[in-house]
Amino acid sequence: EPEVTQTPSHQVTQMGQEVILRCVPISNHLYFYWYRQILGQKVEFLVSFYNNEISEKSEIFDDQFSVERPDGSNFTLKIRSTKLEDSAMYFCASRRDGYGYTFGSGTRLTVV
Amino acid sequence: QQQVKQSPQSLIVQKGGIPIINCAYENTAFDYFPWYQQFPGKGPALLIAIRPDVSEKKEGRFTISFNKSAKQFSLHIMDSQPGDSATYFCAAVMNRDDKIIFGKGTRLHILP
Repeated sequence: EPEVTQTPSHQVTQMGQEVILRCVPISNHLYFYWYRQILGQKVEFLVSFYNNEISEKSEIFDDQFSVERPDGSNFTLKIRSTKLEDSAMYFCASRRDGYGYTFGSGTRLTVV
Repeated sequence: QQQVKQSPQSLIVQKGGIPIINCAYENTAFDYFPWYQQFPGKGPALLIAIRPDVSEKKEGRFTISFNKSAKQFSLHIMDSQPGDSATYFCAAVMNRDDKIIFGKGTRLHILP
């Protein structure tokens, strides 16, 4: 079964450092997303991406965040200057159409 | 209001029992309501989904009951097994926004 692949599985970074979280969506999917889950809390929408541009973003997705699809297979989330409160599990998701979102296994980001 | 309220927060059921997880929403513009299952260290995986014009949907041992007038829906797991132990999220999706609004999750534990 096709999977959404995320790397790394766990990243530790110093506060103020830039991090890039990487995702390889399912190859024939057209819509791409990032969600995050702070430990013990609900999964929250960050951003959706279609046709090489952001379609929708949440209040959480401020100027410190950016997304990019640098080639035909990768989809990245960059946090420019990490804060302690950015510590969370970050999930990438993709879908082709309908309601078939497929989530990756996530990257646990720890900001120290 | 783009919120989905979920209860209970945690649930312990004997093997073979029928755990029931309840959710409520306010915005009548949601187009469909999925349930996600999440195992530790994994991303949410779509379990079953229902549109608001349907009162019940079954897939295997999982059933969604939907009450449009009360703006409530619930997940029932028949003949529950220890392997069903996971966190379950109800959610709501508005096609025009293309984002999933998650409930806070229910941690389910099935006793052997």
